[in-house]
Amino acid sequence: DVKVTQSSRYLVKRTGEKVFLECVQDMDHENMFWYRQDPGLGLRLIYFSYDVKMKEKGDIPEGYSVSREKKERFSLILESASTNQTSMYLCASRNRDNTYSNQPQHFGDGTRLSIL
Amino acid sequence: AQSVSQHNHHVILSEAASLELGCNYSYGGTVNLFWYVQYPGQHLQLLLKYFSGDPLVKGIKGFEAEFIKSKFSFNLRKPSVQWSDTAEYFCAVNPKTSYDKVIFGPGTSLSVIP
Repeated sequence: DVKVTQSSRYLVKRTGEKVFLECVQDMDHENMFWYRQDPGLGLRLIYFSYDVKMKEKGDIPEGYSVSREKKERFSLILESASTNQTSMYLCASRNRDNTYSNQPQHFGDGTRLSIL
Repeated sequence: AQSVSQHNHHVILSEAASLELGCNYSYGGTVNLFWYVQYPGQHLQLLLKYFSGDPLVKGIKGFEAEFIKSKFSFNLRKPSVQWSDTAEYFCAVNPKTSYDKVIFGPGTSLSVIP
């Protein structure tokens, strides 16, 4: 069974701090994603990566950066945390699609981040 | 911009009632389609998916969804809900020309009353 592990379930940080959220998957998936989940807004894509050292901006990349130095690990970085970044952050991974099937995403349990 | 909309923010049903949750997307090309479910306190998991072929797809726990290309819709249905179906449901779209990007709808919260 696919396991996507996020380093923290709950995190509290202060405004202006640099924050690192870590995600590790154990299924050798090419694609990894970071979303934030807010009530009434669903999941909004921040960044995704389709290979090591490769990244693409999602719909709301402002204030965030990512790092993928190894295939199994995808890090989300809040360069200077602000209160409007208080949210639930979800990491996901999946295999790349091929001609014969589409691949679902596998999600971690989420990190509830509070910025004070 | 590409988007996914879900018709209802919150649905309340009694057990044994029938369920239909609406999903529409704005992308005009070929798409892969998904429904995910998030039970209270748990991570998101796949309910069902559409790739090609029969537009009526069946998923886990008695759920099914119908893809209507002309309406850009992928509605989720279940003939008789149970209290254990209480959860948040998300529709998601993956444009086939953008293999790696998956766009989620805002979600529908379903509460089933025993």
